[in-house]
Amino acid sequence: RKEVEQDPGPFNVPEGATVAFNCTYSNSASQSFFWYRQDCRKEPKLLMSVYSSGNEDGRFTAQLNRASQYISLLIRDSKLSDSATYLCVALSNTGNQFYFGTGTSLTVIP
Amino acid sequence: EPEVTQTPSHQVTQMGQEVILRCVPISNHLYFYWYRQILGQKVEFLVSFYNNEISEKSEIFDDQFSVERPDGSNFTLKIRSTKLEDSAMYFCASSENRVGSPLHFGNGTRLTVT
Repeated sequence: RKEVEQDPGPFNVPEGATVAFNCTYSNSASQSFFWYRQDCRKEPKLLMSVYSSGNEDGRFTAQLNRASQYISLLIRDSKLSDSATYLCVALSNTGNQFYFGTGTSLTVIP
Repeated sequence: EPEVTQTPSHQVTQMGQEVILRCVPISNHLYFYWYRQILGQKVEFLVSFYNNEISEKSEIFDDQFSVERPDGSNFTLKIRSTKLEDSAMYFCASSENRVGSPLHFGNGTRLTVT
């Protein structure tokens, strides 16, 4: 069973659209969650941490549902520069390993 | 902003050769990691390192792999006898604390085994 599962997409959306990505994790003891962005052949870069109460950073909103073991990322008013792969990440309960989802590919179309 | 640095950016080696990938984590970080990503595939965990010892390692991290923190700044990954299937992007990462702190990645070393 995969520790973190994501819909791989691809998601192709027009500029200005709102798009949501979902992610589930298998270990209920996982304590910390993150969304990363990865451009082609580049390193993953932290987009935002995900807090239990939900958090927002500009056009990006992350939500965590511990009961359902579910994490989401909402992107509003999509820009061309948002085109990338979005990685859902969970820290293991031991704190020794970060589990990565396979990533969700987003292309924003002019 | 402090960053994780990795060298070289690209390494080409022949099958059976030893390679050492080098990383300088962010200076006040305590936890260090190596991940790899085969082209078009997911980011895979190799090993985590804390307090001068391995905290956890994956099935990929077999006897051909080793890590070392030879001094106060460098963190290295050695592959003793490379195989074709070791060709991948290798990312070093560090984090400040165990819980709550995100990973900060270096820009990776692309390893090509011929």
